[in-house]
Amino acid sequence: EVQLLESGGSLVQPGGSLRLSCAASGFTFRNHAMSWVRQAPGKGLEWVSGISNTGGHTYYADSVRGRFTISRDNSKNTLNLLINSLRAEDTAVYYCAKGRYGGNSALDHWGQGTLVTVSA
Amino acid sequence: DIQMTQSPSTLSASVGDRVTITCRASQSVSSWLAWYQQKPGKAPDLLIYDVSNLESGVPSRFSGSGSGTEFTLTISSLQPDDFATYYCQQYNANSPHTFGQGTKVDIK
Repeated sequence: EVQLLESGGSLVQPGGSLRLSCAASGFTFRNHAMSWVRQAPGKGLEWVSGISNTGGHTYYADSVRGRFTISRDNSKNTLNLLINSLRAEDTAVYYCAKGRYGGNSALDHWGQGTLVTVSA
Repeated sequence: DIQMTQSPSTLSASVGDRVTITCRASQSVSSWLAWYQQKPGKAPDLLIYDVSNLESGVPSRFSGSGSGTEFTLTISSLQPDDFATYYCQQYNANSPHTFGQGTKVDIK
């Protein structure tokens, strides 16, 4: 059974930093692209960042490019998202999601999300 | 970036109705399009990938079609479990994988 378990969400002050992690199990992690998707309270889904199966290609939404860094450790089956210069508009539930393939693909499994709240 | 526009934003329907949701892309996304269903307080579930392929375990009343810039999700006979919000997503190579704004299907 595929499992994705996010962690690291918390209340952070504007301008602060945070590291989100996603522990993956139940599939061959190194064979699949991964993404982070967020959802602000009462709003729709926003794709934030993606990474290819090898980690050789990374992609970002314009709204986070330069502030967010996605990475993965295929030896530990872990996906990470480093978030810097946090803003109020970054407040959201952050989901880790598994791609169907190693490259660009739909997201076939999702974690339950971790909440990031940016407030003074 | 590629913009995805769904219509309608809200749809009121009855059990047994045929429901169609449209998703338009600001430029061609080829066949790199998926549909998701999300219920309140839950993570999204993948319904359709690569325009028209039904994800394993998804009922056959869901179907997808289209190409290039215009796509549709059809529910052939709406069931009580289908009242939810639906999102399209493009995952064209080398661009942010944007979602549509969502379509909420509620009870008429």
